[in-house]
Amino acid sequence: EAQVTQNPRYLITVTGKKLTVTCSQNMNHEYMSWYRQDPGLGLRQIYYSMNVEVTDKGDVPEGYKVSRKEKRNFPLILESPSPNQTSLYFCASSFLRTSGMYEQYFGPGTRLTVT
Amino acid sequence: TQLLEQSPQFLSIQEGENLTVYCNSSSVFSSLQWYRQEPGEGPVLLVTVVTGGEVKKLKRLTFQFGDARKDSSLHITAAQPGDTGLYLCAGAEYKLSFGAGTTVTVRA
Repeated sequence: EAQVTQNPRYLITVTGKKLTVTCSQNMNHEYMSWYRQDPGLGLRQIYYSMNVEVTDKGDVPEGYKVSRKEKRNFPLILESPSPNQTSLYFCASSFLRTSGMYEQYFGPGTRLTVT
Repeated sequence: TQLLEQSPQFLSIQEGENLTVYCNSSSVFSSLQWYRQEPGEGPVLLVTVVTGGEVKKLKRLTFQFGDARKDSSLHITAAQPGDTGLYLCAGAEYKLSFGAGTTVTVRA
């Protein structure tokens, strides 16, 4: 089954304690991205990756890191989480059609609470 | 500032009624996508519209892309409780920009 998986699904942590949220896709997509979803703000892109070893900042990258060592994996790293990073996080992967559209497949989400 | 404005923010209707959700922008997009998100899950792509004035139908859902490719609408005919969810529009250029979404509740 084609899917994007994220782990963990729920995480409660304390300020400053480094954490990693993993993301994996089995569709051989080149493009992967991370979003955060907050009430009234919709989905905002944190980082994206066009391919292995190619990553770039999205709209809200501060406080986050990513890596893309393998095509299927795109972990999100919070080196020193703060309460304003409490949010619902989604990983997504895409193929790129010849017309240039990205049709994104989303993971189930990770609800992060930083106290 | 949202690049894409969705209205209304919330919509609650009775089963069998019709509804329309709007997505507006001051920017032109090469294409526009609609997603539906159910509680506890990620958004799922419903449709992509590409051509100005394009109309696409997906069972009881009708999607329209504005002539100027700046706005879109989603119309649901005879809504059912299974249509309940958060509807998101996303404009595509070199990346996707999402609206804040419309929460639709269909009461049985």
